[in-house]
Amino acid sequence: QQPVQSPQAVILREGEDAVINCSSSKALYSVHWYRQKHGEAPVFLMILLKGGEQKGHEKISASFNEKKQQSSLYLTASQLSYSGTYFCGTERRGTGTASKLTFGTGTRLQVTL
Amino acid sequence: NAGVMQNPRHLVRRRGQEARLRCSPMKGHSHVYWYRQLPEEGLKFMVYLQKENIIDESGMPKERFSAEFPKEGPSILRIQQVVRGDSAAYFCASSPQQGPGPQHFGDGTRLSIL
Repeated sequence: QQPVQSPQAVILREGEDAVINCSSSKALYSVHWYRQKHGEAPVFLMILLKGGEQKGHEKISASFNEKKQQSSLYLTASQLSYSGTYFCGTERRGTGTASKLTFGTGTRLQVTL
Repeated sequence: NAGVMQNPRHLVRRRGQEARLRCSPMKGHSHVYWYRQLPEEGLKFMVYLQKENIIDESGMPKERFSAEFPKEGPSILRIQQVVRGDSAAYFCASSPQQGPGPQHFGDGTRLSIL
């Protein structure tokens, strides 16, 4: 039931772009994206609520395809500060307590000079 | 700093002892979630609480683990008779309401079992 993220790891040079995907086998109500640096707490990036919704946060944006139960996170013109592990967290549709997040397998991103 | 506060940051226990982890949510937040993270792995949901109520404990082991969020004071995650496999980082998150919305995480408690 854990969402599957791809790729598992990616190395970028500063300024390059990356896409991280999150796929669920269950119908989704919302998708959350977090970034976690080693030894630190996960930091909230954005939440997508509706199918087809796209959101942007500086040079980081995301889309949510409700029909395919997939979400993608887009990182453009990457910076060194983008390094970390990215997790998607999903909320399932139709559960009485929709608030708990099921986190994906994680994507480790390293940005180099 | 009005963020989610967890303490202690690091906790060392011997096998068989009890561990108590505390979480004070952000001001104005009445919903608390506990997650466990093993090294190099993702976050696993444990329990979701509101003040004086456990809403969802489907991710919490039925034995040795308990959680509470009293009317006054922080939320407590309690692990009795700890074993080596309990070693992990335990994160608390809070949100102002149920339903879709950001969950803000504390810095976590790193529990080590000797």
